[in-house]
Amino acid sequence: DAKTTQPNSMESNEEEPVHLPCNHSTISGTDYIHWYRQLPSQGPEYVIHGLTSNVNNRMASLAIAEDRKSSTLILHRATLRDAAVYYCIRPFDINSGGSNYKLTFGKGTLLTVNP
Amino acid sequence: DAGVTQSPTHLIKTRGQQVTLRCSPKSGHDTVSWYQQALGQGPQFIFQYYEEEERQRGNFPDRFSGHQFPNYSSELNVNALLLGDSALYLCASSLGVKNTEAFFGQGTRLTVV
Repeated sequence: DAKTTQPNSMESNEEEPVHLPCNHSTISGTDYIHWYRQLPSQGPEYVIHGLTSNVNNRMASLAIAEDRKSSTLILHRATLRDAAVYYCIRPFDINSGGSNYKLTFGKGTLLTVNP
Repeated sequence: DAGVTQSPTHLIKTRGQQVTLRCSPKSGHDTVSWYQQALGQGPQFIFQYYEEEERQRGNFPDRFSGHQFPNYSSELNVNALLLGDSALYLCASSLGVKNTEAFFGQGTRLTVV
């Protein structure tokens, strides 16, 4: 199965940057890294994804290590609304040579943001 | 845009009964996936539907079945309910099967007593 490793929890202060790490040492050359987050009492929400180079969008930045064995989700200024469980995911192609993907969620990182 | 809508939001069933959960995908999306989320755990993939066919399946027994309609909406059916089936059931939609940006509904909270 497509495994990633994340810390169980992290804490941050409001308006400070947050760096959420993820290890994916068995990643293949064509594996994307996806990040989703789940706010309390809601379904997961797409955050960002990338393959090799760093990626930015309105929600966050994704920094991918040169060897691609790890990545970091960066929230530039945490707000109380960013308190959520963050999931680092490798969409898993279960069909060799195929194009079907599924999202395999682990337990994620619970981010607490202090006011 | 209504996003992904699921119904009902909450449901209580008795062991041995059958249940049907419904999902309407985000407008323009043609692929629907279902997930089960137990308390304190991440969502677990049940199956994915595309072009009215089950395309992928996770490690769930045959008691879990589904259907996709021509309008892309989908149903999840669970037969012979067990107490362990109590969970939040999430539906996600995407354009195509690669799920590069899946949109999730709020889920249906199923309680089996």
